[in-house]
Amino acid sequence: AQKVTQAQTEISVVEKEDVTLDCVYETRDTTYYLFWYKQPPSGELVFLIRRNSFDEQNEISGRYSWNFQKSTSSFNFTITASQVVDSAVYFCARRGSYGGSQGNLIFGKGTKLSVKP
Amino acid sequence: DAMVIQNPRYQVTQFGKPVTLSCSQTLNHNVMYWYQQKSSQAPKLLFHYYDKDFNNEADTPDNFQSRRPNTSFCFLDIRSPGLGDAAMYLCATSRDSQGGYEQYFGPGTRLTVT
Repeated sequence: AQKVTQAQTEISVVEKEDVTLDCVYETRDTTYYLFWYKQPPSGELVFLIRRNSFDEQNEISGRYSWNFQKSTSSFNFTITASQVVDSAVYFCARRGSYGGSQGNLIFGKGTKLSVKP
Repeated sequence: DAMVIQNPRYQVTQFGKPVTLSCSQTLNHNVMYWYQQKSSQAPKLLFHYYDKDFNNEADTPDNFQSRRPNTSFCFLDIRSPGLGDAAMYLCATSRDSQGGYEQYFGPGTRLTVT
């Protein structure tokens, strides 16, 4: 199976620290899509970002930034100056470009981030 | 503003008593998904509808069924819930099941089986 690996099960930081969540994926597809979702304690999965396999530009959105490197099959997520509200489980996911099961989202196991005041 | 709505947010049912979970969307998306998520695990896809076409995952138990009477609504029926079916059930929608379209998730229904 083409897995998504989030090696960090839990991370705990103190507010204002920077934190990077790692994501490594496997794929045989030439075209694919990568996603990050946030799941706060309320339970709803919130879409954060999508990245296409043919666009390796890194992206910054406020305190969030993403580093996509095809050479290492990684799509890491950094939160700068973390805040308590960032406490959540973060899921990295991959999706193929075709239909059927290849179009399914393959999730990593998630990283639980705790930001302490 | 709600885009994907799930009712109820919390559902308690008895072992073996059929239960139906509901999902509606205001996004007019073609695809609606049902996921099961157990504690400290990633969501697991049960099935999805592309318009009226039903797509079941190979490992989804027969105990789980779904209906999509129209574009806006989709239901998850659990015919005979077991204790192992206690979980969060997430509904999601997407414009298409192919390509880079993101999925939008509802708040989930937490099912307890007593």
